[in-house]
Amino acid sequence: GAVVSQHPSWVICKSGTSVKIECRSLDFQATTMFWYRQFPKQSLMLMATSNEGSKATYEQGVEKDKFLINHASLTLSTLTVTSAHPEDSSFYICSAAIPRGADTQYFGPGTRLTVL
Amino acid sequence: GQQVMQIPQYQHVQEGEDFTTYCNSSTTLSNIQWYKQRPGGHPVFLIQLVKSGEVKKQKRLTFQFGEAKKNSSLHITATQTTDVGTYFCAGGDSNYQLIWGAGTKLIIKP
Repeated sequence: GAVVSQHPSWVICKSGTSVKIECRSLDFQATTMFWYRQFPKQSLMLMATSNEGSKATYEQGVEKDKFLINHASLTLSTLTVTSAHPEDSSFYICSAAIPRGADTQYFGPGTRLTVL
Repeated sequence: GQQVMQIPQYQHVQEGEDFTTYCNSSTTLSNIQWYKQRPGGHPVFLIQLVKSGEVKKQKRLTFQFGEAKKNSSLHITATQTTDVGTYFCAGGDSNYQLIWGAGTKLIIKP
């Protein structure tokens, strides 16, 4: 149990286009989902915390108008990278927290974004 | 699908005792990464192992990657209260995605 999926697993896009990444909890309901960005061999950098039915909470330095997060249901959160630029190329990982404890997170497999 | 099983789910140890967490993959991995998440925090990258049979040390932490690149372990010698947290392994697959273990929560008994 406690499986989290992400789609797509990798995407290549042209500069200036928008890319949507989906994060789904497949067999449980997640009241909270986290979005992270990771550079090679570095820690996960928290971008935002997404709560179902409310606006996402963004970390300092993360542009909310550039990284749009929607948590429409208890099993789905989406991250849209708007007007992508090459510097947005990265590995994006989501995680879903089971309601019983915020420290219990289940991670998705990640989405590798390459912006040309 | 591909899975990484991580055991145990919880480990209670007295301060000063050793701690080990194990990860086993259903498929051969390209690499294995280890992370530590402190209570209330988010995962911090510890190390990445790439080579078959690789062993790396970071002070009291010893990381191993199995010969078949399907299993890995993290061993902490003489645990300290600062070691408290959840340790995750994440296996890199051929598509460069991460397959996460469920984590092992280390609890230090006073």
